[in-house]
Amino acid sequence: DTGVSQNPRHKITKRGQNVTFRCDPISEHNRLYWYRQTLGQGPEFLTYFQNEAQLEKSRLLSDRFSAERPKGSFSTLEIQRTEQGDSAMYLCASRGQGISTEAFFGQGTRLTVV
Amino acid sequence: GESVGLHLPTLSVQEGDNSIINCAYSNSASDYFIWYKQESGKGPQFIIDIRSNMDKRQGQRVTVLLNKTVKHLSLQIAATQPGDSAVYFCAEKANTGGFKTIFGAGTRLFVKA
Repeated sequence: DTGVSQNPRHKITKRGQNVTFRCDPISEHNRLYWYRQTLGQGPEFLTYFQNEAQLEKSRLLSDRFSAERPKGSFSTLEIQRTEQGDSAMYLCASRGQGISTEAFFGQGTRLTVV
Repeated sequence: GESVGLHLPTLSVQEGDNSIINCAYSNSASDYFIWYKQESGKGPQFIIDIRSNMDKRQGQRVTVLLNKTVKHLSLQIAATQPGDSAVYFCAEKANTGGFKTIFGAGTRLFVKA
């Protein structure tokens, strides 16, 4: 399977704990995006990387959230001091060069904060 | 995108009928408009897109119509099948912010066998 891979698929954590999610994009894709999706809503943009550079962050990305893409390949999204409101599906997508290319999404990581 | 809470607009169609899913957008500067399909427990899957300088594009069993005058986008699915049951999102992307995709409201499609 050469699609976008996300791990873990599910994560249950206690409030206040830190969690980290991983995304492996399609190998030749230089653009990588993180989204958050809550029940009944469309995915909301969080942040975007071009190669290893984080070029845009949404206001939704509070200072408890940090994303990295150290070598321009896989990316991690960390949430510190999780809150119940962080419970959501976290989706990763990647895209190749040019505006006409489509974004491919992973299956997501479902986070539940208890 | 517009918030629809837990109550997504729902479209219920009989298997074999045609489906039309509608969407209103707000950003006139978008370069592409896109439809995604999302099945339960999965990430969104690209269906079809249309460039902003076009008004119609056809794919396999799907047609997207773009009306820029009233900022309206529609997805037509011909001969709807049970496998088409999913939530459909309209989306847009512009030549800014790394061509990020911005999602609009979703519609849940139920196909009755």
